[in-house]
Amino acid sequence: QKEVEQNSGPLSVPEGAIASLNCTYSDRGSQSFFWYRQYSGKSPELIMFIYSNGDKEDGRFTAQLNKASQYVSLLIRDSQPSDSATYLCAVSKNNDMRFGAGTRLTVKP
Amino acid sequence: EAGVVQSPRYKIIEKKQPVAFWCNPISGHNTLYWYLQNLGQGPELLIRYENEEAVDDSQLPKDRFSAERLKGVDSTLKIQPAELGDSAVYLCASSRQTSGGGWNEQFFGPGTRLTVL
Repeated sequence: QKEVEQNSGPLSVPEGAIASLNCTYSDRGSQSFFWYRQYSGKSPELIMFIYSNGDKEDGRFTAQLNKASQYVSLLIRDSQPSDSATYLCAVSKNNDMRFGAGTRLTVKP
Repeated sequence: EAGVVQSPRYKIIEKKQPVAFWCNPISGHNTLYWYLQNLGQGPELLIRYENEEAVDDSQLPKDRFSAERLKGVDSTLKIQPAELGDSAVYLCASSRQTSGGGWNEQFFGPGTRLTVL
């Protein structure tokens, strides 16, 4: 079992729709949870982090965490073509960060 | 504020040759990370430094990989000899020093794309 699992996609949504990205993790002791965006040929950039169960909203992005289910998700509202990228889920425990393989999102105009 | 600087951006070598990558972190960032990213995969940690101390090198293949951060600022990652399977992007990241189980945002450099022929 991989430590952090994501559907590789590709996930395709029309412009203006909600994109839903999901991630599960295996270590119940994980402390912090992150979503990174990586454009093709570029390095990852942090877009959201969450520590506590529930939802955290930042603009068009909402991160959701359910520690009991070991599940974290990212919702992107009003998706734009510029959101097309690979989204990496990352999980940290004691400063040790593990990344999922990423989900490739395509937003079609 | 300048970001994480890496060089070279691209490197093509033949197998069995040595190669070195250089990273200069963001000023004031005590923690430095080297990651390896294969195509279609997420970054995998190779080594983490707190200042000049390697605090996590459990994933570094020590038979051929080595790293140093002598003055606690910039760092070099070396592969000797390189193998075909080492072809990947090598990412450097830095963050402010973490403590007490907390975390600070990691900022990634542009990476070095290595091709081993």
